[in-house]
Amino acid sequence: EAQVTQNPRYLITVTGKKLTVTCSQNMNHEYMSWYRQDPGLGLRQIYYSMNVEVTDKGDVPEGYKVSRKEKRNFPLILESPSPNQTSLYFCASSSLSGQGKAGELFFGEGSRLTVL
Amino acid sequence: RKEVEQDPGPFNVPEGATVAFNCTYSNSASQSFFWYRQDCRKEPKLLMSVYSSGNEDGRFTAQLNRASQYISLLIRDSKLSDSATYLCVGYGGATNKLIFGTGTLLAVQP
Repeated sequence: EAQVTQNPRYLITVTGKKLTVTCSQNMNHEYMSWYRQDPGLGLRQIYYSMNVEVTDKGDVPEGYKVSRKEKRNFPLILESPSPNQTSLYFCASSSLSGQGKAGELFFGEGSRLTVL
Repeated sequence: RKEVEQDPGPFNVPEGATVAFNCTYSNSASQSFFWYRQDCRKEPKLLMSVYSSGNEDGRFTAQLNRASQYISLLIRDSKLSDSATYLCVGYGGATNKLIFGTGTLLAVQP
């Protein structure tokens, strides 16, 4: 089954304690991206990757890091989480072949993060 | 002004009604548009892609008006199960980025 898998789905942590949210896709997609979703602000892109070892900042990259060592995995790292990073996070992937295919995203189920 | 703007709603409609949402975009270089559906606390899922003037899939019709820079989504014969948030997404332009609207909430009442 084609899917994007995120872990953990729910996490409560404290300020400053490093954490990683994993994301894996089994569709051989080149493009992967992380979003956060907050009430009234919609989905905002954090980081994205066009392929292995190629990553770029999105609209709200501050406080986050990513890596793309393998095509299927795109972990999101919060080195020193702060309360303003409390949010719902989505990982997504897409094939880049064909017109506009990068817009046809497959999303993971989301990771709800609370930073106390 | 946001690049992609939607009326947040909520749109409260009775079952069987026809409802239309509009989405306006400011980047005339946007090449493609998409409508995603998102249920409460769930991930967005692609509903329709719009590459040219429009697209139709059963009860759902999307239309693109490049001159006026808006995309519409029409839902006919609304079902209770259509209740969700509908996200408008633009793609393309110089940065080849996806820009999400903040979503329109639809509540279909029995």
